[in-house]
Amino acid sequence: GENVEQHPSTLSVQEGDSAVIKCTYSDSASNYFPWYKQELGKRPQLIIDIRSNVGEKKDQRIAVTLNKTAKHFSLHITETQPEDSAVYFCAANILGGGYNKLIFGAGTRLAVHP
Amino acid sequence: DAGVIQSPRHEVTEMGQEVTLRCKPISGHDYLFWYRQTMMRGLELLIYFNNNVPIDDSGMPEDRFSAKMPNASFSTLKIQPSEPRDSAVYFCASSERTVTGELFFGEGSRLTVL
Repeated sequence: GENVEQHPSTLSVQEGDSAVIKCTYSDSASNYFPWYKQELGKRPQLIIDIRSNVGEKKDQRIAVTLNKTAKHFSLHITETQPEDSAVYFCAANILGGGYNKLIFGAGTRLAVHP
Repeated sequence: DAGVIQSPRHEVTEMGQEVTLRCKPISGHDYLFWYRQTMMRGLELLIYFNNNVPIDDSGMPEDRFSAKMPNASFSTLKIQPSEPRDSAVYFCASSERTVTGELFFGEGSRLTVL
């Protein structure tokens, strides 16, 4: 079925440490994998995305890796800061029933402690 | 552009009442999405439109839910009759040309059904 699994559901790190969030998807035809950050009481906002023609993408302290064979992708945040505290959602496009739609994982609540 | 605009921001209603949520997408965006967010189920795609035409409504929970997009600058999500389990934050989002591009979310409509 259409599924994007995300782990862990909660993650607590010390400021300056790295954080890694992992997602798996079910549709081998998926080719777009964005990550959204949602601060408390705010709207989700795109922070980085990757397409299936590359294996890794970096933007300053964040990076995303993709393993199409294993159908999993990960978000890496280095040198974490308190303002990184938020809920992070992965997503993948699912091509089912003739439609192309974006399905989100359940989210990871990241807490960065000073 | 002011971004995606949703109204109302908060709605408290009693079971059985009709609820109408409204959305104005970013001008020039071809796609409009309605998502529902709850603690239990995360971000669920309810329905999306392309050029005002509904493309996939398989996520609409039941016949009590309906959505329309009469023109490129306005969409509604209606729940009639509402039930307590409909309590959630409803997000509208738009994207420029494709499902596999950045989604710009509105601030959400928090619905509480008593």
